Amino acid sequence: GQQLNQSPQSMFIQEGEDVSMNCTSSSIFNTWLWYKQDPGEGPVLLIALYKAGELTSNGRLTAQFGITRKDSFLNISASIPSDVGIYFCAGKMEYGNKLVFGAGTILRVKS
Amino acid sequence: GAGVSQSPSNKVTEKGKDVELRCDPISGHTALYWYRQRLGQGLEFLIYFQGNSAPDKSGLPSDRFSAERTGESVSTLTIQRTQQEDSAVYLCASSPRPRIGAGELFFGEGSRLTVL
Repeated sequence: GQQLNQSPQSMFIQEGEDVSMNCTSSSIFNTWLWYKQDPGEGPVLLIALYKAGELTSNGRLTAQFGITRKDSFLNISASIPSDVGIYFCAGKMEYGNKLVFGAGTILRVKS
Repeated sequence: GAGVSQSPSNKVTEKGKDVELRCDPISGHTALYWYRQRLGQGLEFLIYFQGNSAPDKSGLPSDRFSAERTGESVSTLTIQRTQQEDSAVYLCASSPRPRIGAGELFFGEGSRLTVL
């Protein structure tokens, strides 16, 4: 099926550092979403992007919808211990009504 | 309840047995989705309901998998003759909007299935 390439697979960073992760696809998407999943929980939506070029912030999180509509990135500034978890990108193509998910980025923070 | 509720939270079964997984969406949410998450992997789409009908069931892996939704509320995912490769967390999500892009998906905590 349709794949999203998400990188990096995992990150182990120092508290206070900034984090960047991204997703790319060979297909065009008209919606990009970023989710965070804590252990034993379902994913929770962080940021939703609906227009090419859109840059949206949610507190220390910033995400952009790539201008080609084939990529998106998520930045986390000044990381804190509670940022640990798995971050997933998800995209929706123009037709259909399902989200395609990336494989996730595991974030660990050293305090 | 306030969120999407799934049961059982954990299920261990023997290969060849049938299992039923249940999802109670947020009240009033018309759209309902089932996803599968294998260990260390992303979410894999299985099926989408709008009301009681399933416009897209393209992600169901085989004819051993089926799902139904009654009363525009509860949904049941059934796996017949389970195999070890069916072991995964099965996540349900609901949405107040009929189409993604106008609303977000709210996920339950998942049902962890282990097939011995």
